Amino acid sequence: QVQLVESGGGVVQPGGSLRLSCAASGFTFSSYGMHWVRQAPGKGLEWVAFIRYDGSNKYYADSVKGRFTISRDNSKNTLYLQMNSLRAEDTAVYYCAKDLIDYMTTGTHFDYWGQGTLVTVSS
Amino acid sequence: DIQMTQSPSSLSASVGDRVTITCRASQGISNYLAWYQQKPGKVPKLLIYAASTLQSGVPSRFSGSGSGTDFTLTISSLQPEDVATYYCQKYNSAPLTFGQGTRLEIK
Repeated sequence: QVQLVESGGGVVQPGGSLRLSCAASGFTFSSYGMHWVRQAPGKGLEWVAFIRYDGSNKYYADSVKGRFTISRDNSKNTLYLQMNSLRAEDTAVYYCAKDLIDYMTTGTHFDYWGQGTLVTVSS
Repeated sequence: DIQMTQSPSSLSASVGDRVTITCRASQGISNYLAWYQQKPGKVPKLLIYAASTLQSGVPSRFSGSGSGTDFTLTISSLQPEDVATYYCQKYNSAPLTFGQGTRLEIK
């Protein structure tokens, strides 16, 4: 069965950096685009970033553009999110999510989600 | 960027009621719309994509309709387990924006 397991969350000071990982199993990772979606405490869902199945296309929300970098290692079935210049408003649970449709150039929608990892930006 | 606006923000209905949630896009998005259900403390679950296609395993009391700018999610007969927050999400192009959510409670 499909499993997505995030790790790397924690407490970081404003201006700091953090790298999230998402280990995928149960499907052909290299065939699917992947996303990061976040949810601030008590708030709604916010899409963060998408990476194409082969890593050649990447898209970002305006709120993180220039600060966050999505990447993947298909040999390790792992998705990453490098977060730099972190701000208090980046505090959220970060979910990795699998795109429903394989071989899409741009993201669509999410059929499997991880359990999330909490990132807290605070001094 | 295209904005997604859901209404109402919250609603309370009785078991067995027909419930409708609306999602409006600030520009036309054809049928590139999905709906998710997030139960308290749980991960979001895909209910519907392509505006009206039911995801595998989702009960048939859920249905979606619409195209262009106006979309609806309908629960034909509300069940206690449907207590959740519902989100629409557009995917015609990046950014893949969510609506702000509709919290559904049982009266």
